[in-house]
Amino acid sequence: SQQGEEDPQALSIQEGENATMNCSYKTSINNLQWYRQNSGRGLVHLILIRSNEREKHSGRLRVTLDTSKKSSSLLITASRAADTASYFCATTVMTTDSWGKLQFGAGTQVVVTP
Amino acid sequence: DTAVSQTPKYLVTQMGNDKSIKCEQNLGHDTMYWYKQDSKKFLKIMFSYNNKELIINETVPNRFSPKSPDKAHLNLHINSLELGDSAVYFCASSPTLSGGAYEQYFGPGTRLTVT
Repeated sequence: SQQGEEDPQALSIQEGENATMNCSYKTSINNLQWYRQNSGRGLVHLILIRSNEREKHSGRLRVTLDTSKKSSSLLITASRAADTASYFCATTVMTTDSWGKLQFGAGTQVVVTP
Repeated sequence: DTAVSQTPKYLVTQMGNDKSIKCEQNLGHDTMYWYKQDSKKFLKIMFSYNNKELIINETVPNRFSPKSPDKAHLNLHINSLELGDSAVYFCASSPTLSGGAYEQYFGPGTRLTVT
């Protein structure tokens, strides 16, 4: 079953605006990661936030994590056309033999128009 | 230099055929993965190898057989292809399989179309 679910499924904004997308998950996690996927390409890691962290920044990206609500948000500030992509959250779920594996949500498709 | 490479990029084949997808990483990572992304962009892990040893094997039909000849390579062989196997398959690697504490590096994907 899907661990992370992104909201909204799609987001259309203009250049310069901020884009916010949310991720909710079901079970306890060790950490949460955000990835970007440009059309026809592989996923690119954006940011990792650990379960004991509440906020993390990387350039124009800001990620928050609220473990009590089992949710995370990704904010892209001052968006650019090049930010057009799908964004996925991924949570680490421990397997029965203690190997972690990533579970991805279905992604938020972001379109930034010039 | 390409960090994680996959071949081929596109694969079109008929039902019942057997095909292979190759993956190589030059990052010196210990762990490699295969993921399947369906038409709705949902990405699901299939297998994970750590130092050539199979670590994660999700509920994947046994028509799918991964093989890791060394820790830089992880290939995926699919027997008796079915229409439902059509998807994009991604290879990925990470330094170790340590509770998912590390980012994963993805290849460009192989789009498999079964007709």
